Amino acid sequence: SQQGEEDPQALSIQEGENATMNCSYKTSINNLQWYRQNSGRGLVHLILIRSNEREKHSGRLRVTLDTSKKSSSLLITASRAADTASYFCATVKLIIQGAQKLVFGQGTRLTINP
Amino acid sequence: EAGVVQSPRYKIIEKKQPVAFWCNPISGHNTLYWYRQNLGQGPELLIRYENEEAVDDSQLPKDRFSAERLKGVDSTLKIQPAELGDSAVYLCASSLGTLEKTQYFGPGTRLLVL
Repeated sequence: SQQGEEDPQALSIQEGENATMNCSYKTSINNLQWYRQNSGRGLVHLILIRSNEREKHSGRLRVTLDTSKKSSSLLITASRAADTASYFCATVKLIIQGAQKLVFGQGTRLTINP
Repeated sequence: EAGVVQSPRYKIIEKKQPVAFWCNPISGHNTLYWYRQNLGQGPELLIRYENEEAVDDSQLPKDRFSAERLKGVDSTLKIQPAELGDSAVYLCASSLGTLEKTQYFGPGTRLLVL
């Protein structure tokens, strides 16, 4: 079963605007990751935030994590047409033998209009 | 550096037919994953390999699905016989280790079962 749930399921904004996507999860995690998937392509890792971190930046991306609310948000600033894609959060928890398991949400489909 | 390679990219078969997908991970990556992604959903893990050993196949429908990773490099995922509900994108990913290691995804194989 999938743990992360993204909100909204779809988002359409004008180029240059900021886009915010949210992810909620149910159980405790070790870290949370965000991935991007362009149409017909594989997933690309964007950013990882650990459970003891509250905010992380990477270029135009800003990720926050609130473990008390079991939620995370991904902010893309100054959006570009090339940002059009589906964005997935993936929660990570340790399983047996120290390995990690990624559980993906359903994704947010982001469309940037020129 | 070459990414994860998958073939074929597309496959159309009739139900009850067998089908196989091939994956070549990034050189040196000892961990390999097979995911299934249904339309509008996030990927779901089917099986994870550490070198040549399948260490997590709890989500693999073993009555019709099988996988192997000979010599701990390339991997093949097979479905026999295929059912209509198997139509999906099958993604392969690899990583160097598992604990907090970024997974690199291939472009996927889009399967349509008629």
